[in-house]
Amino acid sequence: AQTVTQSQPEMSVQEAETVTLSCTYDTSENNYYLFWYKQPPSRQMILVIRQEAYKQQNATENRFSVNFQKAAKSFSLKISDSQLGDTAMYFCAFIPDSNYQLIWGAGTKLIIKP
Amino acid sequence: DADVTQTPRNRITKTGKRIMLECSQTKGHDRMYWYRQDPGLGLRLIYYSFDVKDINKGEISDGYSVSRQAQAKFSLSLESAIPNQTALYFCATSDLAPNTDTQYFGPGTRLTVL
Repeated sequence: AQTVTQSQPEMSVQEAETVTLSCTYDTSENNYYLFWYKQPPSRQMILVIRQEAYKQQNATENRFSVNFQKAAKSFSLKISDSQLGDTAMYFCAFIPDSNYQLIWGAGTKLIIKP
Repeated sequence: DADVTQTPRNRITKTGKRIMLECSQTKGHDRMYWYRQDPGLGLRLIYYSFDVKDINKGEISDGYSVSRQAQAKFSLSLESAIPNQTALYFCATSDLAPNTDTQYFGPGTRLTVL
C-alpha cells in the first residue's frame, strides 16, 4: 500500500524562526510527484510547493523549500523567516504517475507565535 | 472570482435526507475530484472523473454518487445521509498531461448530518 506519514501532529515556533516539517512516504513507483499543501483556518487547501521525483534539485518557492531524499523516501518542508500567516495545517501528499490519485498524510498543525 | 467554487459552503441536514453538493470550475480542466476530510486524517478520495463520460470510484465511494453534468460541473450526492458522513468535502480539478499531477481545490463544504 502507498502511504504518507507525517510524524509531527503539531509544532510551534516563534515568528521569524525557521521550521522544518517532516514527511515520509512509501511507494514502489519510480515516477511520482510530491506536494505540500497548506490549510489555514479559512480551510482553503492551498498548494505550497511541488517536487518532481525524477528531479534531483530541491524545489523552492520564496521562503519555502524542500529537502527531497528519494532513496530515503523523505520529503521535508522548510519554512524560513516564519510569519504569523504561516499558521495552518500542512499536508504532505504524493501522486504516482500510474494513476494520478493523490495520497495524503494526516497533516501537521503549525503555530507561529508572535 | 475563484477558479473552483463549491455550493453550499455549509450545510446542516438530518439523517436520511438526500443532499447534493455542487462544484463548478472555470479553469478549463478535464479532471475533477471529490474528497472528504475528517479531523486527524488526510483527504480521502470519494470519486473522480477524467472527462464527462468517465466516472470512477475512489477509496470511499460507498454511500455517495456523482454526476458530471458538463466539463465544468461535478456534483456529489448523498442519497440518504448518515451522521458519519459529517465532514468537510472538497472538490478539486487538474489539467491534462503533462500537468495532470497538480490539483487545485475549491473552498470546501462543511456538512453536518444530525
